[in-house]
Amino acid sequence: QKEVEQDPGPLSVPEGAIVSLNCTYSNSAFQYFMWYRQYSRKGPELLMYTYSSGNKEDGRFTAQVDKSSKYISLFIRDSQPSDSATYLCAMGPGGYNKLIFGAGTRLAVHP
Amino acid sequence: DTGVSQDPRHKITKRGQNVTFRCDPISEHNRLYWYRQTLGQGPEFLTYFQNEAQLEKSRLLSDRFSAERPKGSFSTLEIQRTEQGDSAMYLCASSLKGGGDTQYFGPGTRLTVL
Repeated sequence: QKEVEQDPGPLSVPEGAIVSLNCTYSNSAFQYFMWYRQYSRKGPELLMYTYSSGNKEDGRFTAQVDKSSKYISLFIRDSQPSDSATYLCAMGPGGYNKLIFGAGTRLAVHP
Repeated sequence: DTGVSQDPRHKITKRGQNVTFRCDPISEHNRLYWYRQTLGQGPEFLTYFQNEAQLEKSRLLSDRFSAERPKGSFSTLEIQRTEQGDSAMYLCASSLKGGGDTQYFGPGTRLTVL
């Protein structure tokens, strides 16, 4: 079993929809949680960063972490065609540490 | 542009050849990471430097792989005697100690081994 599980999709939604992306994990030592957006053949771009449990909002994006359930989510409101990309969750225990990534969820937002 | 840069962006080589990739981190970032990403998967950790010291290597990093960061600034990743299984995107990231582990990625080097 992988340390981080993420549904690969693809997920197809109409423009303006609310998108929910999720990851589960098994390592209770994880303290830092991130979401990256990756366009085709590009490097991952940091979207959201959360420490420990709770919610964080940035514009149309909201990240949630539930450490008791080992479950993290990213919500995208008023989705746009430019949001079409692969979304990667990543997490780590803190310190310098390497990040453990999910496999990524492919999202397509159609006009 | 002050982001992480990588060179080359694409590399096509024949099996058995050696290749070397370069990564320039964000200025003043003292931590540098190499990851490998294959199609349909998330990035997998390869190795990590703090300044010029290589502090961790993944089991994925076989003896054919070597990474250096000689002056604590740019880093190189060399693959010797390439195999078709080495075909992947090689990603470099950097972070600042005390910056909460926020890692910023470069555009990657896409390697194709024929």
